Amino acid sequence: DAGVIQSPRHEVTEMGQEVTLRCKPISGHNSLFWYRQTMMRGLELLIYFNNNVPIDDSGMPEDRFSAKMPNASFSTLKIQPSEPRDSAVYFCASSSRLAGDIETQYFGPGTRLLVL
Amino acid sequence: GNSVTQMEGPVTLSEEAFLTINCTYTATGYPSLFWYVQYPGEGLQLLLKATKADDKGSNKGFEATYRKETTSFHLEKGSVQVSDSAVYFCALLIYNQGGKLIFGQGTELSVKP
Repeated sequence: DAGVIQSPRHEVTEMGQEVTLRCKPISGHNSLFWYRQTMMRGLELLIYFNNNVPIDDSGMPEDRFSAKMPNASFSTLKIQPSEPRDSAVYFCASSSRLAGDIETQYFGPGTRLLVL
Repeated sequence: GNSVTQMEGPVTLSEEAFLTINCTYTATGYPSLFWYVQYPGEGLQLLLKATKADDKGSNKGFEATYRKETTSFHLEKGSVQVSDSAVYFCALLIYNQGGKLIFGQGTELSVKP
């Protein structure tokens, strides 16, 4: 199994530029989560999807952030325009809501974003 | 509301020492409890889990028991190794919230040879 795939692994950009992070969940998983990790704030859930539908986006910091999941095998997190305070590691995770099972979230390796 | 509180790090131990990382939670309903581990430069991975009161999760020598009476899920290991150096996250999951995990702030463990 390939695991959760994220791209790019590293991104350096200048303030004001658009940034797009990509995630491919594990095949067959129907829940997808986007997290942000910083030293100051720890691990924060930004948004999550069930069956490609956004369920809870209350963690999205502001309108500059948007996320989509056009199909079961792909999701994007977009920041436009980016700001230095968006510098963080962004993780994508997926899980499978099998009946009678406990949902284990499988994390990708993360995208390390630096906004100058 | 639902929340998880972990002991603050960093925790520094010598190899073969006993480890305890405290975790307490507040939850409505009946949560499942997890410990995730994050090695340097990597994403989080599940270490162990427990679904109901008095369940004990275990993996790689680590153990944690779901204590409903004290709302706790403390992580323990009898003899740590240098390779256990990582950040450990306690988390809870409540099913009626669609599978959303609530994480603690993480506890960094450093094991010295």
